[in-house]
Amino acid sequence: GNSVTQMEGPVTLSEEAFLTINCTYTATGYPSLFWYVQYPGEGLQLLLKATKADDKGSNKGFEATYRKETTSFHLEKGSVQVSDSAVYFCALSGPKTSYDKVIFGPGTSLSVIP
Amino acid sequence: GAGVSQTPSNKVTEKGKYVELRCDPISGHTALYWYRQSLGQGPEFLIYFQGTGAADDSGLPNDRFFAVRPEGSVSTLKIQRTERGDSAVYLCASSQNRDGKLFFGSGTQLSVL
Repeated sequence: GNSVTQMEGPVTLSEEAFLTINCTYTATGYPSLFWYVQYPGEGLQLLLKATKADDKGSNKGFEATYRKETTSFHLEKGSVQVSDSAVYFCALSGPKTSYDKVIFGPGTSLSVIP
Repeated sequence: GAGVSQTPSNKVTEKGKYVELRCDPISGHTALYWYRQSLGQGPEFLIYFQGTGAADDSGLPNDRFFAVRPEGSVSTLKIQRTERGDSAVYLCASSQNRDGKLFFGSGTQLSVL
């Protein structure tokens, strides 16, 4: 069945450091890929998404590129801020022939220190 | 309301008791999902509604769990004969389009003593 694997955390970075959180997936067909974020004390929210190969999703300075050849969707940010401290979840849904059951990875906790 | 609302925010119960968890989705969202999240884990799919019908209940762990959405809006997740292993945060999400963009509530923290 479909599944998502993420790098284990927690990840601790200094402010303005470069961030990469690895995500790989297993799926039949061509799923849509997502990064969701959970800030402390808040509910899960969509950060970015990509729906087909080579698409790049971006939001709030974060980017992720849908790599079909490596079945990956790594999250990157060039310069993290303290406010980026949160838990990040890679997720997938689809393929398009089925409804959008979204499957989540285990999450990666990020702490950014001043 | 502006977002997905879940009540109660916290529920403490004793082993063997029955509980109901409520979800009020964003108005107009036809799709509704229930997930369960244990500490340090990602959300685990339980059940999906499209309108009033449960389109996929493959994630319900056993027959003690049941969910309804009688009028295609509010949904209730029901757990019978609760066990300590049921303790988790139960998340509800709704969606307007079949695009995987889910809007989550803040969850109900269920603690079974």
